[in-house]
Amino acid sequence: SQQGEEDPQALSIQEGENATMNCSYKTSINNLQWYRQNSGRGLVHLILIRSNEREKHSGRLRVTLDTSKKSSSLLITASRAADTASYFCATDARGSARQLTFGSGTQLTVLP
Amino acid sequence: GAVVSQHPSRVICKSGTSVKIECRSLDFQATTMFWYRQFPKQSLMLMATSNEGSKATYEQGVEKDKFLINHASLTLSTLTVTSAHPEDSSFYICSASGPGGETQYFGPGTRLLVL
Repeated sequence: SQQGEEDPQALSIQEGENATMNCSYKTSINNLQWYRQNSGRGLVHLILIRSNEREKHSGRLRVTLDTSKKSSSLLITASRAADTASYFCATDARGSARQLTFGSGTQLTVLP
Repeated sequence: GAVVSQHPSRVICKSGTSVKIECRSLDFQATTMFWYRQFPKQSLMLMATSNEGSKATYEQGVEKDKFLINHASLTLSTLTVTSAHPEDSSFYICSASGPGGETQYFGPGTRLLVL
């Protein structure tokens, strides 16, 4: 079953702007991961943040994690048209044998 | 990074036939492989977890006799959709992780269309 919700469901921005996506989850986690999926394709792993971490950066990506609120955010700075894709958060819950539970996803469209 | 392949990438079959999908880890040994299903404009739903050499663990609501999973080696897992029906049409994605691995590496997916 779906663990979490993401918002917004869809986001449309102009190239160069920043995009922020949020993810909420329900149970205690080992880590939270963000993935990207282009239409009809597999998933690409973007970044993993552990439960004892609060913020992580990778290139133009910035992820935050607030375990007290059971929420995470993904910020993409200086967006490009090629960033257009669906973005999913996934949680690795404690005791889950490394199973991932995916959020509902955010469809990001970056307009040139 | 680690690469996971799937074959075939898409398949069209008649109702009642069985379809086998292969998932391979190309450059690492995958102790655990996962199978997901994704309907259009929806998220991924975990179907089953498979460990090499043991029986797969299926999620609630997933029929193990309909979705046969074999993880015979550390680099190959197969999902067989038996007696496929139109409602089984979906995008099937596998992922693999190595020993103690936190990160799952996903295959490119297989689109199944059952007529």
